[in-house]
Amino acid sequence: QVQLQESGPGLVKPSETLSLTCSVSGGSMNNYYWGWIRQPPGKGLEWIGYIYYSGNTNDNPSLKSRLTISIDTSKNQFSLKVRSVTAADTAVYYCVRDKRAGVGTSYGAYEIWGQGTMVTVSS
Amino acid sequence: DIQMTQSPSSLSASVGDRVTITCRATQSITTFLAWYAQKPGKAPNLLIYAASTLQSGVPSRFSGSGSGTDFTLTISGLQPEDIGSYYCQQSYSSPWTFGQGTEVQIK
Repeated sequence: QVQLQESGPGLVKPSETLSLTCSVSGGSMNNYYWGWIRQPPGKGLEWIGYIYYSGNTNDNPSLKSRLTISIDTSKNQFSLKVRSVTAADTAVYYCVRDKRAGVGTSYGAYEIWGQGTMVTVSS
Repeated sequence: DIQMTQSPSSLSASVGDRVTITCRATQSITTFLAWYAQKPGKAPNLLIYAASTLQSGVPSRFSGSGSGTDFTLTISGLQPEDIGSYYCQQSYSSPWTFGQGTEVQIK
C-alpha cells in the first residue's frame, strides 16, 4: 500500500521560498508521475504540476515560473519549491500519484493523495 | 486553459435519492476526465477516471458518463457517508484544471 506524506514549514514569510517534500512509502517511484495540488482555505483545487520518475516535469503557468519540482528516487522523495510567495499561496498542499495507464503514460487522475499540509504565508 | 464548470454548486437530497452532478468543459476533452469526492478536512478521493471507469474500491453506486464537453457523475442511492464536495478534473490539455466543486448535503 503506497502512502504519501508531505513535510515542510507551515509558515513562510512573504517574498521567501516555500519548500515541501513528499515522502513515498510502500512502493517504488519508478514508472509513475508524481504531482502537487493545492487548495486555498474554503476554496477549490488547483493543479500545480507533476514530475515523472525520470525527471521530466510539467507545471502550471499560472504560477509564473516560480516553481521547481524535483525528484530523488534513491530517497523515495519528490519536492516542491515556490519562490517569491505571497498571501495568495496560502493553501493546503497535497502531494499525489497519478494513475498509470501504461508504460510512460498515465490517466492524469490522482489515485493516491497525501494527507495534505497547510502552508500559511504571513509575516 | 480549459475551464471546467460544474452544476449545481450545491445540492441537498434525501438518503436513497439519485443524485446527478454535471461538468462542462470549454472545449472537447474526449474522455480525459476524473471525478473526486472530498470530505471535510480530508484529501480528495478518486472516484472515476477516463470519464466512466470506476476506481478500485469505490462503491458501485457511483458512476460516470460523457465524452467531449459534457460529463455526468451519478450517485444511485445517496448514503449519509456521501456528504462532502465533488470535483471534476480534466487532463486532456495542460494545465490540468478542476471544476469549482459541488457540495452535497443530506436533506
